[in-house]
Amino acid sequence: SAVISQKPSRDICQRGTSLTIQCQVDSQVTMMFWYRQQPGQSLTLIATANQGSEATYESGFVIDKFPISRPNLTFSTLTVSNMSPEDSSIYLCSVEGARTGELFFGEGSRLTVL
Amino acid sequence: AQSVTQPDIHITVSEGASLELRCNYSYGATPYLFWYVQSPGQGLQLLLKYFSGDTLVQGIKGFEAEFKRSQSSFNLRKPSVHWSDAAEYFCAVGDSGGYNKLIFGAGTRLAVHP
Repeated sequence: SAVISQKPSRDICQRGTSLTIQCQVDSQVTMMFWYRQQPGQSLTLIATANQGSEATYESGFVIDKFPISRPNLTFSTLTVSNMSPEDSSIYLCSVEGARTGELFFGEGSRLTVL
Repeated sequence: AQSVTQPDIHITVSEGASLELRCNYSYGATPYLFWYVQSPGQGLQLLLKYFSGDTLVQGIKGFEAEFKRSQSSFNLRKPSVHWSDAAEYFCAVGDSGGYNKLIFGAGTRLAVHP
């Protein structure tokens, strides 16, 4: 199984600021995924991050708001830019395991925007 | 577009009782189906998945799920619930027939009474 570490685990931020979330995996993976879980709701895929190429964003998510970096095969960052209270969510990083169809998730980064 | 419906937002059962969590999906072909569990303050853990073959799949922690194409369902079951099973359970379907980009249901929160 893949071990995924996310930082920060939680943070409280002011409106208008930006926060970068880091995701570190203990093995090399081709694709990394970023999900958002809004309070009391389910998970929604934000984007897919491949090493060496630009991230692919899902409908409703744009690069200017959620820039993603993928500098190598074990690391990715998601930045939440110009935050508003509506961005208060848990942001989760996930990767595909060695076996087909097995996604592993980090513990998430709980973001509160005041 | 695919979608996943979990009709029950909250379920409460007594410890030792049987459990069934409902999940319905919409997808034209045979979908990739998953059940994940999210314990408080933790990331998501894969319980089981269905790709093809035997429609009754066994997972971890004593859970099983049955794929019923005629009903577009993938209900999760456990014969005897333990207090440690209290958590939120998410059903998911692979997006566009894939298995590494998931569409999640809204989740079912399970409470277990002693």
